Amino acid sequence: AQSVTQLGSHVSVSEGALVLLRCNYSSSVPPYLFWYVQYPNQGLQLLLKYTTGATLVKGINGFEAEFKKSETSFHLTKPSAHMSDAAEYFCAVSEGDNFNKFYFGSGTKLNVKP
Amino acid sequence: EAQVTQNPRYLITVTGKKLTVTCSQNMNHEYMSWYRQDPGLGLRQIYYSMNVEVTDKGDVPEGYKVSRKEKRNFPLILESPSPNQTSLYFCASRLWGGSGNQPQHFGDGTRLSIL
Repeated sequence: AQSVTQLGSHVSVSEGALVLLRCNYSSSVPPYLFWYVQYPNQGLQLLLKYTTGATLVKGINGFEAEFKKSETSFHLTKPSAHMSDAAEYFCAVSEGDNFNKFYFGSGTKLNVKP
Repeated sequence: EAQVTQNPRYLITVTGKKLTVTCSQNMNHEYMSWYRQDPGLGLRQIYYSMNVEVTDKGDVPEGYKVSRKEKRNFPLILESPSPNQTSLYFCASRLWGGSGNQPQHFGDGTRLSIL
């Protein structure tokens, strides 16, 4: 089974600082990769996805992620953190026949300090 | 408005008392899925459905049942709930289309407490 690892269950940055959230997956066959954000008491919202093509993917709210096959990584970045970015972020992988199976990382809670 | 609706949002019940969590989507999506979210474990897939009458197990299906009799609905059934099924549950849907690159749309979650 696929394994998705998010390094750091809690990350704290100052407002305006770089945000870097790490995600590594275990599959030897490139899966489809997603980042989701979860605000308190809400469901998950898609930030961005990588399926094929350009390895640098841009998403909503200024986030982007780069797929690195050699490192089996899909780290999420944002150049300048905003207070409204405080939330929990999940990396997810889909694979299997028709990519029906989904595997999520354990999540990273981002705290943004004023 | 496009949405995935789960009911109830909160439920406290007792061991062994059968319960059903409903999930409905209004986007005509073929694919629907159930997840449970536990602290430190992220989301784990319970069951998914590619279309009406087509379901399959995810990573943690034990103790759960599902059915897909209509395209818009995908209820999660706990026949004999136990305390280890206390969790936050999410339903999600997406266009299937065979390519797998469509994102999932999530409901707002159902918090189940089983005493």
